[in-house]
Amino acid sequence: AQSVSQHNHHVILSEAASLELGCNYSYGGTVNLFWYVQYPGQHLQLLLKYFSGDPLVKGIKGFEAEFIKSKFSFNLRKPSVQWSDTAEYFCAVRFNNAGNMLTFGGGTRLMVKP
Amino acid sequence: NAGVTQTPKFQVLKTGQSMTLQCAQDMNHNSMYWYRQDPGMGLRLIYYSASEGTTDKGEVPNGYNVSRLNKREFSLRLESAAPSQTSVYFCASSVGANSGNTIYFGEGSWLTVV
Repeated sequence: AQSVSQHNHHVILSEAASLELGCNYSYGGTVNLFWYVQYPGQHLQLLLKYFSGDPLVKGIKGFEAEFIKSKFSFNLRKPSVQWSDTAEYFCAVRFNNAGNMLTFGGGTRLMVKP
Repeated sequence: NAGVTQTPKFQVLKTGQSMTLQCAQDMNHNSMYWYRQDPGMGLRLIYYSASEGTTDKGEVPNGYNVSRLNKREFSLRLESAAPSQTSVYFCASSVGANSGNTIYFGEGSWLTVV
């Protein structure tokens, strides 16, 4: 069965540090890739998505992600985090043999220290 | 434009009790979903409705039933609640069951079964 893995469960950074959150999936076919963010007490919001084209995708709030097909990865990056980036981040994948269903990774809790 | 609205936001149930989570969307979306979120496991799909009049099981359907009441509304019912159903439940919707459609989430319903 297809799966999505986020290897970092908890990340603690100081403000201005660079961020990279890993996301890997297991499937050799066509995929659509998403990163969602959930701020404390709020619902999931879409950060960015990749369907096709340029594998480097830019999203809101200075986030970007790079799709590396050969590595089955879609890592999320931000050059300089802020305290307000404290949240839980979820990678999600739509596998093309699974209709419109999204498979989520387990999430990464990011804490940014001021 | 409220997006996806779900009620109640918080609920405590006793084992064996029943309840229904309500969800409505005002974006004229065809597809609707119910997910549960548990620590370290990301979001898992319970049931979805690709279009009005259809419902299908997701990854973790046992113990739940759904009703797609009309295009706007998609309810989730727990007939006999169990402690294992303590979770945060998210309703979501998308334009349709085609690749390329972003899924939008509600604010979540916190359910505790004691």
